[in-house]
Amino acid sequence: SQELEQSPQSLIVQEGKNLTINCTSSKTLYGLYWYKQKYGEGLIFLMMLQKGGEEKSHEKITAKLDEKKQQSSLHITASQPSHAGIYLCAASSAGNNRKLIWGLGTSLAVNP
Amino acid sequence: NAGVTQTPKFQVLKTGQSMTLQCAQDMNHNSMYWYRQDPGMGLRLIYYSASEGTTDKGEVPNGYNVSRLNKREFSLRLESAAPSQTSVYFCASRTATVVSNEKLFFGSGTQLSVL
Repeated sequence: SQELEQSPQSLIVQEGKNLTINCTSSKTLYGLYWYKQKYGEGLIFLMMLQKGGEEKSHEKITAKLDEKKQQSSLHITASQPSHAGIYLCAASSAGNNRKLIWGLGTSLAVNP
Repeated sequence: NAGVTQTPKFQVLKTGQSMTLQCAQDMNHNSMYWYRQDPGMGLRLIYYSASEGTTDKGEVPNGYNVSRLNKREFSLRLESAAPSQTSVYFCASRTATVVSNEKLFFGSGTQLSVL
């Protein structure tokens, strides 16, 4: 079965630093989603990537899907305390969203 | 615009007790989902409803029942709670009318402890 591995598991950075979170799949990704979860709250959709080589940005967050569609990276530029939380990637198999496979998440802390 | 509303936010039960988690969305979404989130296990799908009047099992349905009361509401019931059901429960919904639109909207979660 398809699995998603996220790295690192946790990350502590100083405010203003850049960081990257990776999401690696054992199989080809048909759709890759990034969500953010603030502690004690629900998940908020960040971005969706579908095509190999695709890159999307929202404010200071950029997500990329590699050409082989087996790895995605989430890059935060000039991190701020508001970026703190848990970042989760999810993938759909054959485009069926109800069977989304989730990574375990990367916990990010940003020290002011 | 409230989005997805879950109640209660916290609940403590004794083993064997029953309870219903409520979920409502005001976005006119067709599909609704119940997930549980456990440390080291990630998010796991319990049940989902692709449209009003239909429900299907997800990965971990044992010990749970659901009701899609109408298009807005999707409830999750624990008939006889067990300590293994201690978890954080999330309700989610999506439009499911556009193939490329796979965005899920989540509620804020219910933290359930079964003693």
